[in-house]
Amino acid sequence: GQQVMQIPQYQHVQEGEDFTTYCNSSTTLSNIQWYKQRPGGHPVFLIQLVKSGEVKKQKRLTFQFGEAKKNSSLHITATQTTDVGTYFCATTLGNGQNFVFGPGTRLSVLP
Amino acid sequence: EADIYQTPRYLVIGTGKKITLECSQTMGHDKMYWYQQDPGMELHLIHYSYGVNSTEKGDLSSESTVSRIRTEHFPLTLESARPSHTSQYLCASSEFEGLGTEAFFGQGTRLTVV
Repeated sequence: GQQVMQIPQYQHVQEGEDFTTYCNSSTTLSNIQWYKQRPGGHPVFLIQLVKSGEVKKQKRLTFQFGEAKKNSSLHITATQTTDVGTYFCATTLGNGQNFVFGPGTRLSVLP
Repeated sequence: EADIYQTPRYLVIGTGKKITLECSQTMGHDKMYWYQQDPGMELHLIHYSYGVNSTEKGDLSSESTVSRIRTEHFPLTLESARPSHTSQYLCASSEFEGLGTEAFFGQGTRLTVV
């Protein structure tokens, strides 16, 4: 079945440093979604990208969808301790099919 | 704010006990899901449903069962709990249309089997 991979698996940064996580697929994706899960919490939807080359921003977060629609990135500028958590990318297969989640990138931010 | 609720939030039970984890949503979503997740790790789909009277097994083999008698309710049952079932169980829902929908997650049930 379709899979999405994420790198890195873990990332430790100093507060104020930038952070990027990448999501990759061997097949063309119809969309990419990003979720954030705080420690002890549940995944929360952040954003969806559907167009080739699309870029969206949410404050310090920048999301990109690759031109070939096979990869995506989430970039956080000047990390804060509130950014700590696991970031999952996901795609939906359409036609009522299930979500396919990546394995997640666990971000820790040292104050 | 997502309206999907799971009870209990935390549960500690003895080996061999039967338990039911409750999940309800008030958004009228057709699709519902159960995921198993060790803290901060991958999400493993164990069951899903397209709607009333529809239940399917997910990617991860599970000894649990589910039912969908009402649109809003999707309980998960373990007939005989074992320590290997210790994990977090997350319920989610979405609209039926796959593209362009998002998954709404409940707050999860943290299960410990002793």
